[in-house]
Formats: sequence, C-alpha cells, structure tokens
Amino acid sequence: AQSVTQLGSHVSVSEGALVLLRCNYSSSVPPYLFWYVQYPNQGLQLLLKYTTGATLVKGINGFEAEFKKSETSFHLTKPSAHMSDAAEYFCAVSDGLDGNKLVFGAGTILRVKS
Amino acid sequence: DVKVTQSSRYLVKRTGEKVFLECVQDMDHENMFWYRQDPGLGLRLIYFSYDVKMKEKGDIPEGYSVSREKKERFSLILESASTNQTSMYLCASSAVGKANTEAFFGQGTRLTVV
Repeated sequence: AQSVTQLGSHVSVSEGALVLLRCNYSSSVPPYLFWYVQYPNQGLQLLLKYTTGATLVKGINGFEAEFKKSETSFHLTKPSAHMSDAAEYFCAVSDGLDGNKLVFGAGTILRVKS
Repeated sequence: DVKVTQSSRYLVKRTGEKVFLECVQDMDHENMFWYRQDPGLGLRLIYFSYDVKMKEKGDIPEGYSVSREKKERFSLILESASTNQTSMYLCASSAVGKANTEAFFGQGTRLTVV
C-alpha cells in the first residue's frame, strides 16, 4: 500500500525567505509524485509532478521539487516566498494503477509573514 | 480551459436525509474520483470509477454510494446523512495512461449535516 507523510502541519516563513515543505512517500512500485496547492475555499491545483525522467521538476509559481529515490522523498522548495504563496500544500503519490488514484498526505499550511 | 464542476459549493442537510453531490467534467476523462477532506487528515478517497457504470471502493466508502451513468458525470450519494459526514467533498477526474496521471479537481462542496 502506498502512503505519504508530510512533515509539519504548519510552516511559517518570512517574505523573501526559502520555502521548504517536506514529503516522504512509501510505494512498492516506481511512484508518480505530485504537489498540489489549495487556496482558501477552492479546489486543488497542480503545482508540479514527477512521472519519469529528470528528478528535479519545475512547476508553476517558481516552485520545484526533487525526487530522491534513496531517501523516498519529494520535497517542495521555492527560493523566495511571496505573500501569495500562503495556502495549503498537499503531496500525493500514485502507482499508475487502479484508475490512477492518488494517495494524499495530511497537508502543510504555509504562512508567509511580512 | 479544462473544468470539473461540482453542483453546489455549500450544502446544509438534516440528519437522515438522502444527499446527492453531483460532479461533471468536460475533459472526456475515463477516471473520476470522490474525496473527502478533513483538517489534519488530508484527502481520503471514498469511491472512484474508471468507466461508465464501473465503481470501486476507496479507503472510506462506508455510508456512501456512487453512480456513473454517463462518462462525464459522477454522483456521490449519502444514503442517510449523519453529522460525522460533515466535511468538504472534492471531485476529481483524470485520463488513463501513465503519462497523464494528473488529476483535475472541482471547487469542492462543503457539506454540513445538522
């Protein structure tokens, strides 16, 4: 069975500081990994995904994530936080089977201080 | 622009009522999903469907059923609503094929059962 662990239910950074949101996964097959963002009272929007190929993945809004198989991690980073980045972030894993269903982590709420 | 549309943003229902949550996608996707989102628990899969009239239980199907009579529409049914089903419900769809495992989400329906 697959699972996702997001370390830190809340992360607070200052505007302009580095954003690091941690995600570790468990999967018995090569995983497909995703980061989604949810703004208040909205659905989820895809930030980036890793399927195959390059392990450093760039997404929208300046975010990127690196797939590290040896560490079973897929941490999300952004060099300089902006106030508009305040949202909840979800890491998810899929094995590409069972209709491509996603297994989600518990989420991390990012707060950006001015 | 791709779209997953949920019929209601907010619903208030009474305990014991039968509740229908409707979801329509315009992307001709084969796969459709219903998730439930609760604080600190992330998104949990209730049911999914990979074809018309097909359905599979997710992780928390108890108290729910689904219907998929047409490819574009996937309905979630609460047979007898209970207060512990108060939650945010998110519908999603995705295409088949490992290169296209991204799921697109609706805006969510916040259901309150009183």
